Amino acid sequence: VQLHQWGAGLLKPSETLSLTCGVSGGVFRGYFWSWIRQSPGKGLEWLGEITDSGNTNYNPSLKNRVTMSIDTPNDRFSLTLTSVTAADSAVYFCARGPPTVGVRYWGQGALVTVSS
Amino acid sequence: DIQMTQSPSTVSASVGDRVTITCRASQSIRSWLAWYQQKPGQAPNLLIYKASSLESEVPSRFSGSASGTDFTLTISSLQPDDFATYYCQQYDSYPYTFGQGTKVEI
Repeated sequence: VQLHQWGAGLLKPSETLSLTCGVSGGVFRGYFWSWIRQSPGKGLEWLGEITDSGNTNYNPSLKNRVTMSIDTPNDRFSLTLTSVTAADSAVYFCARGPPTVGVRYWGQGALVTVSS
Repeated sequence: DIQMTQSPSTVSASVGDRVTITCRASQSIRSWLAWYQQKPGQAPNLLIYKASSLESEVPSRFSGSASGTDFTLTISSLQPDDFATYYCQQYDSYPYTFGQGTKVEI
């Protein structure tokens, strides 16, 4: 299983972050697909997850700024984060899992920088 | 949110040493805990899931154990490839949370 992610890496404050993750080499249906970010100040932070049926669970810390969507026919899922600030600067990872074995597969990571 | 308190933040060790890293959960997470190894510029790599189950292809020198809300990752004999940062993660309750990490250095 391989996860490959892409999206804009440099944003200005108040803009919208958009990342997409494509999955290959394995089954897409039946799993939970997550977004996790890592910044020097806050360490690893789970942002949320989406199932292949579109059910979502989000981290409340993102205060309704986050939306995750899924494109099952094309084996991909996406993250949207609105009204970004410098605090949203981080490396963003897409991933498969949890819920039973933790996060077994990760994307390569995408550095997102928010700066005016 | 469930707080995961990981200690120590840094471990200075030598090849062949036994290394123990601890993660304490602020409330019960049953056995829903994972351990990851991360090297600079890479994504984390799953080592242990469900507190004590060794991930496929992970060397047997890595082991995990649990006692109540205390979880331990043990490296029985440190190898050069093991110098990295280690994180725990609880996936019992939303939002899933991580420990702050333990850097294992020479």
